[in-house]
Amino acid sequence: TQLLEQSPQFLSIQEGENLTVYCNSSSVFSSLQWYRQEPGEGPVLLVTVVTGGEVKKLKRLTFQFGDARKDSSLHITAAQPGDTGLYLCAGVDNAGKSTFGDGTTLTVKP
Amino acid sequence: DTGVSQDPRHKITKRGQNVTFRCDPISEHNRLYWYRQTLGQGPEFLTYFQNEAQLEKSRLLSDRFSAERPKGSFSTLEIQRTEQGDSAMYLCASSFDRVISGNTIYFGEGSWLTVV
Repeated sequence: TQLLEQSPQFLSIQEGENLTVYCNSSSVFSSLQWYRQEPGEGPVLLVTVVTGGEVKKLKRLTFQFGDARKDSSLHITAAQPGDTGLYLCAGVDNAGKSTFGDGTTLTVKP
Repeated sequence: DTGVSQDPRHKITKRGQNVTFRCDPISEHNRLYWYRQTLGQGPEFLTYFQNEAQLEKSRLLSDRFSAERPKGSFSTLEIQRTEQGDSAMYLCASSFDRVISGNTIYFGEGSWLTVV
């Protein structure tokens, strides 16, 4: 069973602060995705990373895939209240199946 | 294309009743997935299809659960003799099988089930 551990589980910060959340596993993935989910809605894809060491930027969000393709991080610069939500990482195995972590719940206070 | 759509969005049912959820995937996607999510947890894999073939079922999918994708397009997830522990959000997702470039899956809005 492939397990993904996300940390921290909860994060509450002030508007304008920077933050990093982590997604770790002992398994190697063919790719990894980050999603953001709001209450009562389905997860919305933010990014897919495929290559070990890959870094992708999406405005104030920076995603990094570990060299060994076992872990990933999401860094948010100058967080805004609109960034509030549940951030989920999902590792994709060679069969194309995605396994999710339990997420980081981010609250950005104005 | 409007993305993955699920119906109904919310369902309240009495314990012991049967419920069925429908999922319409993104039209060109050949893979369709069902996940279950409870409060405070990430989505848990239930089953997935490639075209009309059901390729894998999780241990979470008891014999009260059945999923079909008869024509390789829409899918249904039926829960028979519902129990209170079945209360959760049932998420459908689809993808185009493209492992090399990431096999990104796209989710629907989910179907909330409350068993009373």
